[in-house]
Amino acid sequence: NAGVTQTPKFRILKIGQSMTLQCTQDMNHNYMYWYRQDPGMGLKLIYYSVGAGITDKGEVPNGYNVSRSTTEDFPLRLELAAPSQTSVYFCASSIGETQYFGPGTRLLVL
Amino acid sequence: AQSVTQLGSHVSVSEGALVLLRCNYSSSVPPYLFWYVQYPNQGLQLLLKYTSAATLVKGINGFEAEFKKSETSFHLTKPSAHMSDAAEYFCAVSDHGSGNTGKLIFGQGTTLQVKP
Repeated sequence: NAGVTQTPKFRILKIGQSMTLQCTQDMNHNYMYWYRQDPGMGLKLIYYSVGAGITDKGEVPNGYNVSRSTTEDFPLRLELAAPSQTSVYFCASSIGETQYFGPGTRLLVL
Repeated sequence: AQSVTQLGSHVSVSEGALVLLRCNYSSSVPPYLFWYVQYPNQGLQLLLKYTSAATLVKGINGFEAEFKKSETSFHLTKPSAHMSDAAEYFCAVSDHGSGNTGKLIFGQGTTLQVKP
């Protein structure tokens, strides 16, 4: 099992550009999550999904969108990148109470 | 609303010394509590979890944590630090009471430095 995979590992965006962060899990988990990690701030939940076709906002959803068309994939979309979105993004999936994290995507918006 | 506070953003210990990382929580329901570790440039890895069974929880790499309801604490300890323990540690509480979405609320993290 690969677990939770994320692509790309690192990306530089210009202000106003858009991009999609990919997340895939091969554990057949229904629940999936997107977090952002800023220095000294811990992880904040952006969006989550409890199954294919069902998504909901987390604590910091502004500027992001998600979709969940399959159990395996949970992409995160940035439509108009802003410097405030410079961060490390983690995707996670869970079964029961334990979440399994991907390796992260480091995003720099200039 | 649930919240987590980790006391001390940086902790430095000598190799072989006791490791103590502090975590206090606030929860309106009986909490599920977690400690995750993050090594440089990696994702988070579960160290241990408390889900209302035994109050003393043992995890990987010799770590353990004790749930103390009266103190609303879930401190992480390890008797003897190893150089490989240097990492960032996150305490988290699960939002398992509200529709069981499993959302995690994280503390701000504690960086553990281990000196030779």
